Amino acid sequence: NAGVTQTPKFQVLKTGQSMTLQCAQDMNHEYMSWYRQDPGMGLRLIHYSVGAGITDQGEVPNGYNVSRSTTEDFPLRLLSAAPSQTSVYFCASTLALFGGNTIYFGEGSWLTVV
Amino acid sequence: AQSVTQLGSHVSVSEGALVLLRCNYSSSVPPYLFWYVQYPNQGLQLLLKYTSAATLVKGINGFEAEFKKSETSFHLTKPSAHMSDAAEYFCAVDDGGGADGLTFGKGTHLIIQP
Repeated sequence: NAGVTQTPKFQVLKTGQSMTLQCAQDMNHEYMSWYRQDPGMGLRLIHYSVGAGITDQGEVPNGYNVSRSTTEDFPLRLLSAAPSQTSVYFCASTLALFGGNTIYFGEGSWLTVV
Repeated sequence: AQSVTQLGSHVSVSEGALVLLRCNYSSSVPPYLFWYVQYPNQGLQLLLKYTSAATLVKGINGFEAEFKKSETSFHLTKPSAHMSDAAEYFCAVDDGGGADGLTFGKGTHLIIQP
């Protein structure tokens, strides 16, 4: 009963390095998204995808890149890490937007940029 | 545009006391409303959701919330707090206005005093 799986759980990066946060879901959900969580800021949407081959920007997309080659996977790439990207990242998925469908979250990825 | 306001970034109650976490929303149309809970170092888990069926919604772990359209509120309550309820709670709204999904409040940290 995997649901939404994120890796890695913890990562420390140096400024300027790049990395990819992996996200996979096994529920055949069309909609997937990435959020970042910062103290006092709640969750802010980075990028989202409404289906394979379709992605779009959320509220805070700068410095991040995404792709959606399959329904199951939605990786988030940090192109050149900055200390401001130190955060907790959550991947989420849902069957479809609207209609009150539940959004399911991964366990989170704790990223520190030094 | 939709928005969510959670009153009180921190709420402290005694074990056995009533829990009341406040959420007010702004939406131009009848929305779908959600409460999520986040335990330390974990992802977000759905507590309950309002999808226009009944205004009083019961969720997991003894929590419930009442949708009040006239007050644009969706406050979360639990009659008797347990130590295990200590967590971060997020209210979220989806009015179907765009593909960017849920809008989250900034969260309320619930502290349970023994």
